[in-house]
Amino acid sequence: QSVLTQPPSASGTPGQRVTISCSGSTSSIGSNYVYWYQQLPRTAPKLLIFRNNLRPSGVPDRFSGSKSGTSASLAISGLRSEDEADYYCAAWDDTVSGPVFGGGTKLTVL
Amino acid sequence: HLQLQESGPRLVKPSETLSLTCSVSGGSISSNSYYWGWIRQPPGKGLEWIGSIYYTGGAYYNPSLKSRVTTSVDTSRNQFSLKLSSVTAADTAMYYCARYSDYDHDFDYWGQGTLVTVSS
Repeated sequence: QSVLTQPPSASGTPGQRVTISCSGSTSSIGSNYVYWYQQLPRTAPKLLIFRNNLRPSGVPDRFSGSKSGTSASLAISGLRSEDEADYYCAAWDDTVSGPVFGGGTKLTVL
Repeated sequence: HLQLQESGPRLVKPSETLSLTCSVSGGSISSNSYYWGWIRQPPGKGLEWIGSIYYTGGAYYNPSLKSRVTTSVDTSRNQFSLKLSSVTAADTAMYYCARYSDYDHDFDYWGQGTLVTVSS
């Protein structure tokens, strides 16, 4: 069972905007930054969002992150077929004294 | 361009020790502000952080695995390693090595991963 909670699946049609939620606690999301990773099929995870809402170089601005209290969200606008992947949220957890991940959300582009 | 590559046995017997090495190229493992971490992913499941080590040898581990995990770093070879003892079938997973920014608290570079199966 993961420390951070995500819905197991999400879906949308091309061009749509979808959001993926991530719920944590005061010791994780409530006290620390949130990160998002994208894992395309049969590949290693890739950093998508860091420090709640910042994008590494090369990540399209269609991807955005937000955080409020002990929850966070990843939004993908202008959905494209190549966005079909698993998405994981992560945060430092003060109780674990290390990074923790969500269980992942499988995004399907219909 | 930083690259990481995992290596080690792909099949380990139950109760034995899993050993993996991560080779870093395109950058120095002795960089300040970066730890070097291990993350695993059982088939069809999510990501689990195992532990992280600094180039000086200081390390910290996931409490759920701490009693079985040892990590080390070899700066002369630009490599770091993982040992997980007393493995069971539950330790079957894709194992990734990654660079961890102590400033941003994120894993910004990942290896391609190596699937380790625990079976007799």
